[in-house]
Amino acid sequence: GAVVSQHPSRVICKSGTSVKIECRSLDFQATTMFWYRQFPKQSLMLMATSNEGSKATYEQGVEKDKFLINHASLTLSTLTVTSAHPEDSSFYICSATVDRPNYGYTFGSGTRLTVV
Amino acid sequence: AQSVTQLDSQVPVFEEAPVELRCNYSSSVSVYLFWYVQYPNQGLQLLLKYLSGSTLVESINGFEAEFNKSQTSFHLRKPSVHISDTAEYFCAVSRGGATNKLIFGTGTLLAVQP
Repeated sequence: GAVVSQHPSRVICKSGTSVKIECRSLDFQATTMFWYRQFPKQSLMLMATSNEGSKATYEQGVEKDKFLINHASLTLSTLTVTSAHPEDSSFYICSATVDRPNYGYTFGSGTRLTVV
Repeated sequence: AQSVTQLDSQVPVFEEAPVELRCNYSSSVSVYLFWYVQYPNQGLQLLLKYLSGSTLVESINGFEAEFNKSQTSFHLRKPSVHISDTAEYFCAVSRGGATNKLIFGTGTLLAVQP
């Protein structure tokens, strides 16, 4: 149980275009999801906390207008990278908390974004 | 605010040798502690976690970690490593609850050599 599906796994886009990444909880309801960004050989940096039905809470230094987060249902959160540039190339990972039966966090498999 | 320190960025070790990956945390409140493993170009897999109860927690593949409140540590150990254990290991801390975020350490690359 507690599976999070993330799509796409890889995407290449042209500079200036927008890319949407989806994160779905398959067998549980996720009121809260988290979006992380990971640069090569580095740790995961929390970008934002996504709450179902309300605005996301962004970490300091993360541009809200560039990284649009929507959490329209209890099973789906999306991250849209708008007007992407090469410096946005990174590995993006989503996560959701699970309360029952045991508390924890489950992660998607990640999305490798390359902006050319 | 919580923070996590992983002092070793890389730990080289020979196959079948024991290993310890260090993790220290800082928090003014009670926390939950986690170890995750990440293989190249993949997401994170939970290795083990401490929520409450016994301070020694074990994973199904031979890893264990001990929560030490006085030393604010949660070091990961394995008595005998395999080549397949080569991966990046992340220690993480959370305050618990559905809306509280998970904060990661900088990671330790465990490099097992034959």
